[in-house]
Amino acid sequence: GNSVTQMEGPVTLSEEAFLTINCTYTATGYPSLFWYVQYPGEGLQLLLKATKADDKGSNKGFEATYRKETTSFHLEKGSVQVSDSAVYFCASVSGSARQLTFGSGTQLTVLP
Amino acid sequence: DTGVSQDPRHKITKRGQNVTFRCDPISEHNRLYWYRQTLGQGPEFLTYFQNEAQLEKSRLLSDRFSAERPKGSFSTLEIQRTEQGDSAMYLCASSLAQAAGVHEQYFGPGTRLTVT
Repeated sequence: GNSVTQMEGPVTLSEEAFLTINCTYTATGYPSLFWYVQYPGEGLQLLLKATKADDKGSNKGFEATYRKETTSFHLEKGSVQVSDSAVYFCASVSGSARQLTFGSGTQLTVLP
Repeated sequence: DTGVSQDPRHKITKRGQNVTFRCDPISEHNRLYWYRQTLGQGPEFLTYFQNEAQLEKSRLLSDRFSAERPKGSFSTLEIQRTEQGDSAMYLCASSLAQAAGVHEQYFGPGTRLTVT
């Protein structure tokens, strides 16, 4: 079946540092890929998505490129802010139900 | 539209009791999903509805779990004879599926269940 493997955390960075959170997937065919973010006390929010190889999803300064050759969808941001502190989940969509398969999440803490 | 809502936000129950959670999706969304999230893990798919029909259930959904979506609007998830292993965050999501392609899922805030 489909699976998503995510870089383990927690990750602690200083404000304005560069962020990379690694994500790789296994799937039958070519799944659509997502990054979701969960701020403390809130529900999951879609951060960005990519639906086919070489697509780049971007939002709020975050980017991720769908790499078929390495089955990866790494999340990057050039300069993180304290407000980016949250848990980040990589996910793929699969199955006839189009249900999401999530990675285990990466806790990001940005210090001022 | 205020998004996906879930009720209650927190539930503490004793082992062996039954609990029921409610999810109200975004009004025009025809698909509704239930996921379960345990501490330190990503959400895991439980089941989904297209309108009022429950079309798929995960093997995680034991016989003690039942979900309904009468009239294709809100949904309920009931857990009978709760066990401590049922303690988790139960998430609801909805999407609008009109044609082939990616249907973004919008999540509610979740119901945190603690079984003592």
